[in-house]
Amino acid sequence: AQKITQTQPGMFVQEKEAVTLDCTYDTSDQSYGLFWYKQPSSGEMIFLIYQGSYDEQNATEGRYSLNFQKARKSANLVISASQLGDSAMYFCAMREVALWDDMRFGAGTRLTVKP
Amino acid sequence: NAGVTQTPKFQVLKTGQSMTLQCAQDMNHNSMYWYRQDPGMGLRLIYYSASEGTTDKGEVPNGYNVSRLNKREFSLRLESAAPSQTSVYFCASRRDYLYNEQFFGPGTRLTVL
Repeated sequence: AQKITQTQPGMFVQEKEAVTLDCTYDTSDQSYGLFWYKQPSSGEMIFLIYQGSYDEQNATEGRYSLNFQKARKSANLVISASQLGDSAMYFCAMREVALWDDMRFGAGTRLTVKP
Repeated sequence: NAGVTQTPKFQVLKTGQSMTLQCAQDMNHNSMYWYRQDPGMGLRLIYYSASEGTTDKGEVPNGYNVSRLNKREFSLRLESAAPSQTSVYFCASRRDYLYNEQFFGPGTRLTVL
């Protein structure tokens, strides 16, 4: 069964600094996708970035990048130049190709950006 | 273009009452999903519909039923609400198999007393 682990319940970062949010996953499938979502205090879920298991390059989207280490089964989110608006809950999620509609989420990391 | 909409935004029920959560999307997406989010946990999939006319169970389907009324609408029904169903419910949609991103609705906060 799929399992996503986010070991950092809460993280603090100074404004303009970079921060890494950890995510490890467990799957026996070779084909899968990894996702990061942001949930601000207003409650909506915002898609940030996607990495496919066969993608050779790490995914990047603006200030977000995904540090994908397949052998270690980790997919850490790196946010560069943190902004106050980055304060939110961040969720890592995974979907196996064989169960493409069944996406599993981690418990989340609450990021607080300090001015 | 409203994206994914959900009604109601908030609801309080008594144990044993029934209700239906409504979800609609105007993006012509094929797949639709219902999740619940509990404190300290990520989202868990309740049911999904890969296309109009089909529905399948997710990780936590017990106590819920769904209806894919048409391509736009996917409803979630609680037949006899229990306090364990107190949660925030999110509806989401995705274009089709080849597309990765799921678009989420704003959520429904349900309390069962």
